[in-house]
Amino acid sequence: QSALTQPASVSGSPGQSITISCTGTSSDIGGYDYVSWYQQHPGKGPQLIVYEVSYRPSRVSSRFSGSKSGNAASLTISGLQAEDEADYYCSSYTSRSTLIFGGGTKLTVL
Amino acid sequence: VQLVESGGGVVQPGRSLRLSCAASGFTFRSYAMHWVRQAPGKGLEWVAVISYDGSNKYYADSVMGRFTISRDSSKSTLYLQMNSLRSEDTAVYFCAREDGEAGYILNSWGQGTLVTVSS
Repeated sequence: QSALTQPASVSGSPGQSITISCTGTSSDIGGYDYVSWYQQHPGKGPQLIVYEVSYRPSRVSSRFSGSKSGNAASLTISGLQAEDEADYYCSSYTSRSTLIFGGGTKLTVL
Repeated sequence: VQLVESGGGVVQPGRSLRLSCAASGFTFRSYAMHWVRQAPGKGLEWVAVISYDGSNKYYADSVMGRFTISRDSSKSTLYLQMNSLRSEDTAVYFCAREDGEAGYILNSWGQGTLVTVSS
């Protein structure tokens, strides 16, 4: 099964908002509200920032928000900060009871 | 919650390796657990999941028939037995705890252990 499709890179200035897209199929994103997003800083393990499309763990800033429409999901980061610079991955539960990740998006804060 | 992977190293193609993930700070037997890997400079790739009681296991197509996930709740440890290793299995392997009742939400991760498959 091919990875979910994400843009390779996005960038924004401090204080701005950016959105990262994640496209799948009806067998994954389109079939379930089980989309998650992860943030990974260099040399570190991934950290969950959004789950079940739009929910945030309590430790995660409200600047991070998620949504879904059809076979696509998106992550929006508002009020960009320098520490947001990282790699971001979407994931989705699939009809085969597996998990699929996106290829990852590198966020650069200018 | 703490997850500590071990067992990585350099191994020749075709050989085997077993990874371990020692869990602490939570009731290990109550949670499903996953392995996820990341090839050098590449993205995340899901490998396998085992249910809280070990009764259900699912694998990525890329490792099906070669890798086996297992757990020992008496030792609070997760395992990944990797056989017939290939160069494309070279990666950092992370273990992760699944939260929630469904949907494979990975809320806690270890720091990973590096597996290098090379002759």
